[in-house]
Amino acid sequence: EVQLVESGGGFVQPGKSLRLSCAASGFTFGIYAMNWVRQAPGKGLEWVSKIDGSGGSTYYADSVRGRFTISRDNSNDTLFLHMTSLRVEDSATYFCARDGRWQRMFEFWGQGTAVAVSP
Amino acid sequence: DIQLTQSPSFLSASVGDRVTITCRASEAVSSYLAWYQQKPGKAPSLLVYAASTLQSGVPSRFSGSGSGTEFTLTISSLQPEDFATYYCHQLISYPYTFGQGTKVDI
Repeated sequence: EVQLVESGGGFVQPGKSLRLSCAASGFTFGIYAMNWVRQAPGKGLEWVSKIDGSGGSTYYADSVRGRFTISRDNSNDTLFLHMTSLRVEDSATYFCARDGRWQRMFEFWGQGTAVAVSP
Repeated sequence: DIQLTQSPSFLSASVGDRVTITCRASEAVSSYLAWYQQKPGKAPSLLVYAASTLQSGVPSRFSGSGSGTEFTLTISSLQPEDFATYYCHQLISYPYTFGQGTKVDI
C-alpha cells in the first residue's frame, strides 16, 4: 500500500525557515517524480514544486522560486521541502503527491502538514 | 501560465442528479488534464487522468471528457459520498495549475 506521510509543519515567524519531510513507503521511491502542493485555509490547490526520480531536475512555482528548495533522499525514501524567507502568504497545508509512472497525474497524496507563518 | 477556469464554482444538487462540471484552459493542454475530489479536512483524491481515463477504483458514475481547452467531469447519478469539492489540473507545462474548484453541495 502506497503511503505518504508529511511532517515538519508548525508555527513560524515571517523571515524564518522550515523544512518539511514526506516519508514514502509501499513503492519504489526512486523511480517516481514527486511534488509539493499547498492549500491556504479555505482556498484552492496551488502546485509548489516538483522533483524527478533522480533528484537531478527540479521545478518551482514563481511564488516560491529562490526561497524554497525541493530535494529527496532516495536511500531513505524521503522527500523534503526546505522553505526560507517565509511569508504570511506561505501559510497553508502542504501536501506531497506522487506522480504517475507513465501518465501525468498526481496519483497518491499524503495527508498534509500545516504551516502557519505569523508575527 | 495556463489558467484553468471551472464552472460553476458552486453547485447545489440532490442525490440522483446528473452533475456536469466544466474546466476551460487559457491555452491548449492536449489531454494532460486530471480531475480530483477533495472532502473537508482530507487530501485530494485522483478521479480522472488523461482527460478521460478513470483512475482504478473510482466508481463508473464518474466520467471525464474533452481535449484542447474544454473539459468536463460528469457524475451520472450523484451519491451522498460525492458531496465534495472538485478540481481540474493541467500537467502539460510548468507551472502546473489547478482550477479554482467546484463545491458540490446539497
